[in-house]
Amino acid sequence: QSVLTQPPSASGTPGQRVTISCSGSRSNIGSNTVNWYQQLPGTAPKLLVYSNNQRPSGVPDRFSGSKSGTSASLAISGLQSEDEADYYCAAWDDSLNGVVFGGGTKLTVL
Amino acid sequence: QLQLQESGPGLVKPSETLSLTCTVSGGSISDTIYYWGWIRQPPGKGLEWIGSIYYSGSTYYNPSLKSRVTISVDTSKNQFSLKLSSVTAADTAVYYCARSDHLYNILTGYYPGAFDIWGQGTMVTVSS
Repeated sequence: QSVLTQPPSASGTPGQRVTISCSGSRSNIGSNTVNWYQQLPGTAPKLLVYSNNQRPSGVPDRFSGSKSGTSASLAISGLQSEDEADYYCAAWDDSLNGVVFGGGTKLTVL
Repeated sequence: QLQLQESGPGLVKPSETLSLTCTVSGGSISDTIYYWGWIRQPPGKGLEWIGSIYYSGSTYYNPSLKSRVTISVDTSKNQFSLKLSSVTAADTAVYYCARSDHLYNILTGYYPGAFDIWGQGTMVTVSS
């Protein structure tokens, strides 16, 4: 059972916009920033969004993050086949004094 | 650019200690703005943070693993290491090392932020 809750799966067709949610609590998302990672099959995770809504250099602006209260979302617009991957949210938890991850969302591009 | 590389045995016997090293190249582990962390991923499952260390030796550990985990840093070799004791089959996973920036809040002080550079990962199997 992960501290942050994500839907196990999401899907969309090429060109569509999809959103992945991440639900937490006051001690993690409610108090600290959220980061998102993309993990392509058989590879290490890659930082996609940090500090709720910032993109590292090289990440397309099709990917955007937002946060409200104790929840966060990752939106992917103009869905492409290469976006098919697992997506994880993460945040610092003040109560646990550690980094917590969501369980991950498997995105399928139909 | 900065790269991380995990190394260590791929097979560990139950009840023994898992030991891994992460070598940092293309940059200094003593850079004051970064933490260095370990994250693992059991086969077919999600990511689990194990712990993080600052170059000074200050550490944060996952509470669920804290009694079995030691993370250390060797600035002279530009490496940091993970030791996980009393392993069981549940510790079978791909183990990643990663760099993170550091953030601050009034409750915790400085703590690790986003993991922006990752090693390729190393599979460790616990089996007799």
